[in-house]
Amino acid sequence: GNSVTQMEGPVTLSEEAFLTINCTYTATGYPSLFWYVQYPGEGLQLLLKATKADDKGSNKGFEATYRKETTSFHLEKGSVQVSDSAVYFCALSERSQGNLIFGKGTKLSVKP
Amino acid sequence: EPEVTQTPSHQVTQMGQEVILRCVPISNHLYFYWYRQILGQKVEFLVSFYNNEISEKSEIFDDQFSVERPDGSNFTLKIRSTKLEDSAMYFCASSEDSGSYNEQFFGPGTRLTVL
Repeated sequence: GNSVTQMEGPVTLSEEAFLTINCTYTATGYPSLFWYVQYPGEGLQLLLKATKADDKGSNKGFEATYRKETTSFHLEKGSVQVSDSAVYFCALSERSQGNLIFGKGTKLSVKP
Repeated sequence: EPEVTQTPSHQVTQMGQEVILRCVPISNHLYFYWYRQILGQKVEFLVSFYNNEISEKSEIFDDQFSVERPDGSNFTLKIRSTKLEDSAMYFCASSEDSGSYNEQFFGPGTRLTVL
C-alpha cells in the first residue's frame, strides 16, 4: 500500500542554519506530494505541494522537488529562523482520491 | 481568513462512554475529513464525507465510528463506545473539491483521552 517515511526528529538547529528534512514515499500510482506544517497549538497548514515528477514546490523560503526516480520529496530551507520552529509532515495523495497519507512528522526547533 | 474550528480542544472520557467531536468546516467547502494521530505515531485518515454521505473510509473507521452533518455548518465524529486505544488527537479538515490537487484545511484538533 501507499506510505510515507520521513526522518525522525527532533531536529535542533541554530538560526540561519541550512535545513533538510528527508521524505520518501511508496505509491502504486502517481501521487501528489505535500509538506504540511503545524505550529504549536494550531492545526496542520499546507506549506507546499508538487503534483508531478520534477515539479518544485516552494513557499516561505522552503522548497521541495518531486523526484520520481528516488521516490523522494525532501524539504529544504537555506536559512532557518526561530519562527520556523514547528512540526513538519510529509504527505501524499493519490490522484483519484482526496485522503492524505502522512509521515510521522519531524519536530524542528530553531535556537537563536 | 476563514478557518476550520473544532470543539472541544480536549475531551476526557471513561472507557465505554460515547463521545462526539465537533467541527465547523469552512463555509463554502464541500468535502470533509477526519484524521487522527495517536501520540508518537502517524496522522491517519479515518473518513471522508461529501453530499451527506461517506465517500471513503479507512480500516480504522469501524462500526464504533460514525459521522454526521446535522445542520448546515457542523460536521461531527461520534465514537459509540470508547476504548483506551481511541486516545488520540483528532483532526477535522475540509476542502473545496476532492482529488489530490485540492488543499485540505485543517482544524487545530481535539485531544481525546480515554481513561
